[in-house]
Amino acid sequence: AQSVTQLDSQVPVFEEAPVELRCNYSSSVSVYLFWYVQYPNQGLQLLLKYLSGSTLVESINGFEAEFNKSQTSFHLRKPSVHISDTAEYFCAVSETGFQKLVFGTGTRLLVSP
Amino acid sequence: EPEVTQTPSHQVTQMGQEVILRCVPISNHLYFYWYRQILGQKVEFLVSFYNNEISEKSEIFDDQFSVERPDGSNFTLKIRSTKLEDSAMYFCASRAGAGGTIQYFGAGTRLSVL
Repeated sequence: AQSVTQLDSQVPVFEEAPVELRCNYSSSVSVYLFWYVQYPNQGLQLLLKYLSGSTLVESINGFEAEFNKSQTSFHLRKPSVHISDTAEYFCAVSETGFQKLVFGTGTRLLVSP
Repeated sequence: EPEVTQTPSHQVTQMGQEVILRCVPISNHLYFYWYRQILGQKVEFLVSFYNNEISEKSEIFDDQFSVERPDGSNFTLKIRSTKLEDSAMYFCASRAGAGGTIQYFGAGTRLSVL
């Protein structure tokens, strides 16, 4: 069975500072990895995904995540955050990508001026 | 852009009552899911549905829960006799067939059991 660990429940950061949200997973098989974002009072939106190929994946709004198989990690980074990035970020894994998503507990990113 | 639609956005019910949460998945998607998120906790998988039958369900999805695709567009989650601990945000998701790997989520229904 897969599991996902997001050690940081909350990450406060100042605007324009860099940020890293950590995600580690556990699985006995190959997995597909996802980051979803949940803005206040909204549903889950896919931010980026890793299925295969290049281990560095990027989103359209400046986030990137790197798949590290040896460390079983898929940390999310952004070099310069905006106030509008304030949201809850969920890391998730799926066996083969076609099955259920297993989510981490989420990290609340709080960006202040 | 196509989206998953869930109604109502907030449902309040008395303990022991039946509730039906409704979802309209993205047109032409073939795989459907329900997840829930109890306040302050992580999003948990409930059930997946394909070809008019349940393909996988979690331990949470006991006999009090059922899912149905009554027509070509709706996907419903029924809770037969609600308990206080069923209070949560319920998310519907859908995924395309033919290799589609992304699950698209609705905005959720907040269920409050009093």
